[in-house]
Amino acid sequence: SQQGEEDPQALSIQEGENATMNCSYKTSINNLQWYRQNSGRGLVHLILIRSNEREKHSGRLRVTLDTSKKSSSLLITASRAADTASYFCATVDYKLSFGAGTTVTVRA
Amino acid sequence: DTGVSQDPRHKITKRGQNVTFRCDPISEHNRLYWYRQTLGQGPEFLTYFQNEAQLEKSRLLSDRFSAERPKGSFSTLEIQRTEQGDSAMYLCASSLSGSRTTLTDTQYFGPGTRLTVL
Repeated sequence: SQQGEEDPQALSIQEGENATMNCSYKTSINNLQWYRQNSGRGLVHLILIRSNEREKHSGRLRVTLDTSKKSSSLLITASRAADTASYFCATVDYKLSFGAGTTVTVRA
Repeated sequence: DTGVSQDPRHKITKRGQNVTFRCDPISEHNRLYWYRQTLGQGPEFLTYFQNEAQLEKSRLLSDRFSAERPKGSFSTLEIQRTEQGDSAMYLCASSLSGSRTTLTDTQYFGPGTRLTVL
């Protein structure tokens, strides 16, 4: 069974807007990672946030983590057409346990 | 390019045939993972190696599946007597980890092998 669940399942935004997606997970974690997958291709690691961190930034990405609610969010600011992809959160216990992902479409 | 590579990128086979996929990890990485991804879902863990030792196999990995990493470098995943339900993207990832219990290593994924069983 998959550990994380992303919400929403799909998101369509205009270029320049922000995109926010959420991830909920079931068990205690040491860290949580976000990955991006372009259509039909491999996954690209975006950011890792540890359980003792509440927020982390990387470029236009901002990730938050609330371990009391077992949830995380990924914010993409000033979206671009190239951000069109599926985004997955994954909990880590040497192996990755992924949710079903959020498909983001950025319209030009 | 020194990333994770997988071969072939696409494989179409008839039900009942055997298939083998290859993964070449990043050269200094000691851990290698196999995942399977079906349409609209996230990847699901199949198995992983630390060097040449296969340390865990998911219950998804039926006895028709076998994975090897003979010299601790590249790995192969073989599916015997393929079934239509085996159609999926097979992803390989690698990481550099200091110990069996390292929980923070980043996994780098290959482009995947898309299997279609007719």
